[in-house]
Amino acid sequence: QKEVEQDPGPLSVPEGAIVSLNCTYSNSAFQYFMWYRQYSRKGPELLMYTYSSGNKEDGRFTAQVDKSSKYISLFIRDSQPSDSATYLCAMKNAGGTSYGKLTFGQGTILTVHP
Amino acid sequence: ETGVTQTPRHLVMGMTNKKSLKCEQHLGHNAMYWYKQSAKKPLELMFVYSLEERVENNSVPSRFSPECPNSSHLFLHLHTLQPEDSALYLCASSQGPTSTDTQYFGPGTRLTVL
Repeated sequence: QKEVEQDPGPLSVPEGAIVSLNCTYSNSAFQYFMWYRQYSRKGPELLMYTYSSGNKEDGRFTAQVDKSSKYISLFIRDSQPSDSATYLCAMKNAGGTSYGKLTFGQGTILTVHP
Repeated sequence: ETGVTQTPRHLVMGMTNKKSLKCEQHLGHNAMYWYKQSAKKPLELMFVYSLEERVENNSVPSRFSPECPNSSHLFLHLHTLQPEDSALYLCASSQGPTSTDTQYFGPGTRLTVL
């Protein structure tokens, strides 16, 4: 079983739609949860960063973490063509000797068409 | 230059060649990372350096040899690679190697091994 499972898609939605992206994980030691966005031919850029369970909102983006279910989500409201990218979930342990090791999902390819 | 830069952006090499990838961070960070991103697979952490000292080697074959001469520069020396080593190689940096530090990625080097 993979530590982090993410549906690779691809996901295609019309402009203005609400997009829901999800990851499940098996390692209960994960405490920090991130969403990265990666445009074609670019490196990943951090979009959202959440510690433990709860919600975090930033503009059109909302990240949710449910540690009891080992499930994280990213919602994009009023999606735009410029949101078309691969979205990667990532997570890491707190402290120890993990040296900030990020464990990534496979990434979901999102296309928002006009 | 700002952020994390990587050169070259594209590299094609034969299995008997020796080449090097270069990463430079302009963020004043103390930790640097090499990741491998293959098609349809999650990003895989390869190496972590903290204050120029290697603190993590994620079971990477010896044909990949990292070097960190100072906290701003990171190299990945390649020799006798295999076609399955073809991938996008990403460099990242963070303030420190701890769990709370955000990692910032460069654009990557697209490597093709013939």
